[in-house]
Amino acid sequence: ELKVEQNPLFLSMQEGKNYTIYCNYSTTSDRLYWYRQDPGKSLESLFVLLSNGAVKQEGRLMASLDTKARLSTLHITAAVHDLSATYFCAVVLGQGAQKLVFGQGTRLTINP
Amino acid sequence: DTGVSQDPRHKITKRGQNVTFRCDPISEHNRLYWYRQTLGQGPEFLTYFQNEAQLEKSRLLSDRFSAERPKGSFSTLEIQRTEQGDSAMYLCASSLVPASGTLSTDTQYFGPGTRLTVL
Repeated sequence: ELKVEQNPLFLSMQEGKNYTIYCNYSTTSDRLYWYRQDPGKSLESLFVLLSNGAVKQEGRLMASLDTKARLSTLHITAAVHDLSATYFCAVVLGQGAQKLVFGQGTRLTINP
Repeated sequence: DTGVSQDPRHKITKRGQNVTFRCDPISEHNRLYWYRQTLGQGPEFLTYFQNEAQLEKSRLLSDRFSAERPKGSFSTLEIQRTEQGDSAMYLCASSLVPASGTLSTDTQYFGPGTRLTVL
């Protein structure tokens, strides 16, 4: 059974600081996604990572994937309040499979 | 380009009643997914369709749950004889999988969800 674990689960940080969210998964997968969810809202797609060593960046967020270590990271640079949200990583189960298995989410709070 | 829409956005029902939710995917998307999300957790997969065919169902989808996508466009999720444990956010997502041989990220785009409360 595929398990996806994120850490930390809760993160409170100050504006301007850098931090990293980690996502570990237990079995082989060919795609990993990062989503953002604001309170009471649905999920917004941030990144999809398709291969070992893939790196994607959008603004202050950068995601990377190490398929050998079964690890993805979401790095936040010089955080701003607007980035406060819950961030989920999700992994596709197996090769060519369709369903997403989500981590528990990391609730990020950025304080002025 | 409209996104995924879901109706209703909120539903309060009494235990034992039946409820039905609707999802309208992004118009050209051929895959449609249902997930359930409880407070403080990530979404859990329930089922998915490719066009009108239901291709996979989670063991979370008990006999009281049924989903349809009759014409390969919108989908409905029905819960019969609701229980308090069914209270959750029900999320629909859609994606486009192109013809074979074409690279695709198969990103799933989520709707706003239907929040179900069973009293």
